[in-house]
Amino acid sequence: GAVVSQHPSWVICKSGTSVKIECRSLDFQATTMFWYRQFPKQSLMLMATSNEGSKATYEQGVEKDKFLINHASLTLSTLTVTSAHPEDSSFYICSARALRRDSSGNTIYFGEGSWLTVV
Amino acid sequence: KQEVTQIPAALSVPEGENLVLNCSFTDSAIYNLQWFRQDPGKGLTSLLLIQSSQREQTSGRLNASLDKSSGRSTLYIAASQPGDSATYLCAVRGTYKYIFGTGTRLKVLA
Repeated sequence: GAVVSQHPSWVICKSGTSVKIECRSLDFQATTMFWYRQFPKQSLMLMATSNEGSKATYEQGVEKDKFLINHASLTLSTLTVTSAHPEDSSFYICSARALRRDSSGNTIYFGEGSWLTVV
Repeated sequence: KQEVTQIPAALSVPEGENLVLNCSFTDSAIYNLQWFRQDPGKGLTSLLLIQSSQREQTSGRLNASLDKSSGRSTLYIAASQPGDSATYLCAVRGTYKYIFGTGTRLKVLA
């Protein structure tokens, strides 16, 4: 079945550095990928939607210069947290919409998520 | 604007009990609803996905139902085990965007 892989699953970085999280669709092409973030004891919230080859669309309140999203190919989207601060520590998860002409073309698959800790 | 609520926020039960987790949503125009499990410090695992045209889905000891008209879904866990201890999230999909509930933290006591 379709699989979405996120890497790394865990990452610890120092304040002020940048960290990149990758989201890959392993056996399908994804026209659209979505990035979510979970604050402690809160629900997952959509951060941005990225379409291959175009700029990401960010949700209200999400700093696009801080959370850089690149969707350079149909199988890979990256989220880069720039100049990370401890308050950026969170659970980040991506999902991908399959590019298919059959009924599964509207299916969205989730990655397992990435835990970021900024120290 | 879609809002998703999960009740209870936390639940502690003795092993072997059957239990029900509730999820309600305000906009019935959904594409599907998905239940996830999240273990502390670990990733998200999809448990069951119910399409808007379906009433329920079953997988092992799990059964999820969907009543779109009333904006409700339930996740039924039969014969609970300590290994079921986790946070359970429901998520409702509109066009492509999922709206998540805040989750129910389940603890099954041995």
